[in-house]
Formats: sequence, structure tokens, C-alpha cells
Amino acid sequence: GENVEQHPSTLSVQEGDSAVIKCTYSDSASNYFPWYKQELGKRPQLIIDIRSNVGEKKDQRIAVTLNKTAKHFSLHITETQPEDSAVYFCAALPGGSARQLTFGSGTQLTVLP
Amino acid sequence: EAGVTQFPSHSVIEKGQTVTLRCDPISGHDNLYWYRRVMGKEIKFLLHFVKESKQDESGMPNNRFLAERTGGTYSTLKVQPAELEDSGVYFCASSQLRGFSDRREKLFFGSGTQLSVL
Repeated sequence: GENVEQHPSTLSVQEGDSAVIKCTYSDSASNYFPWYKQELGKRPQLIIDIRSNVGEKKDQRIAVTLNKTAKHFSLHITETQPEDSAVYFCAALPGGSARQLTFGSGTQLTVLP
Repeated sequence: EAGVTQFPSHSVIEKGQTVTLRCDPISGHDNLYWYRRVMGKEIKFLLHFVKESKQDESGMPNNRFLAERTGGTYSTLKVQPAELEDSGVYFCASSQLRGFSDRREKLFFGSGTQLSVL
């Protein structure tokens, strides 16, 4: 089955700096890669996603890049703000009939004021 | 619109006891998923309902876990008897469509139930 590795597990950045979270996946047939943000005490929420026919997608201060050859995708947050502090999860949707999202282990991002 | 709601938000039980978690998906969402996150690890898939039918239960750990979705509305996840390793956050999620091939499709999560087995 699909296996998603996420790094780093924790990340601290100064307000205004950029943050990058990286994920690798194992199933070359995976074709959908969402990112979820979970603020303390709240539910995970989809913040951005990318499909395998696209290499990069941007939405204001967040962007996701996908390298299908290397089987990795990354979340980039620019001009970080304290409200960006949260746990971020990447996920991949494998190919084949067992199409359930496989999640990474999460990254605790702390933006220091 | 009302989101996915889960009850209780926290549950502390002793090993060997029974616990039932409830999930109310967004109205009209046929797809309902259960996930679990053990501390510091990934969010792991448990099972998937389409309406009242179990579409995929390949992630269920063992036969101590029983999920139901009578009438295709809310769902319950019962753990009986609970073991220490069952501790974690149990998330429910729902979606209107399946497959994620539709660009409008999203998976909506509940806030989770924190289960602690002592």
C-alpha cells in the first residue's frame, strides 16, 4: 500500500520567515495530494491540494510543489504569521481500487513573534 | 452549514470497558470515514461508509472495533473491550462525492474524540 513520510516533525520559524514541509510517497500511481491544517483544539481543515497533472499550485501565502519523478511534494508558507502555528498533515491518494487517503505523521509548526 | 460533529470530545475509560463514539456527518454527505491518530503518528484510515454500507473496512485494527451507520445518517464506533493501545484521537470525516476526482470535492473533518484508555 501507499506510505507517506513527512518531515520535519517539528518546525519553528520567526514571524515573517518562510516555512517548508516535505513529504514523500511510495505509490507512483498516487494522483491527489491534499494538505490539512489543524489548529490547537480544532478540526483538520483542507488548505490546499494538488493533482498529479500539475507541478505547482499557489494560493496567497501558501504553495505546494509536486515532483512526480522523485515522488515528493512540499508545502511552502511565506511571510509566516503567528496564526500559521498549527499541525500540518500531508496526504496522498493512491492509485488502484483501495482509494483512501494516506496521511503523513504531521508537522508541528510554531511561528515565533 | 453545520460541520461534522463528534461526541464525546474526550473519553477516559479503563482497560476492558466499552466506549461508543458518535459522528454526525454534514447533511447530505453519503461518504463517512473514520480515522485514528495515535500520539505523534499519522492519521490512519479505519473505515469508509457509503450511506449505510461499509465500502472499505480494511483499516479496522481488530474485531474489538465495530462501526455502524444505521439509516445512512450518523455513525457510531464501538470499542469493546478497550485496550491501552486504543488510546488516540478518533476523527470522523464526511464528503459529498467520492474519489477526489471532482475539483469541488473536499473531505470535511470533525474535531475528533480524544480517547484515553487507562
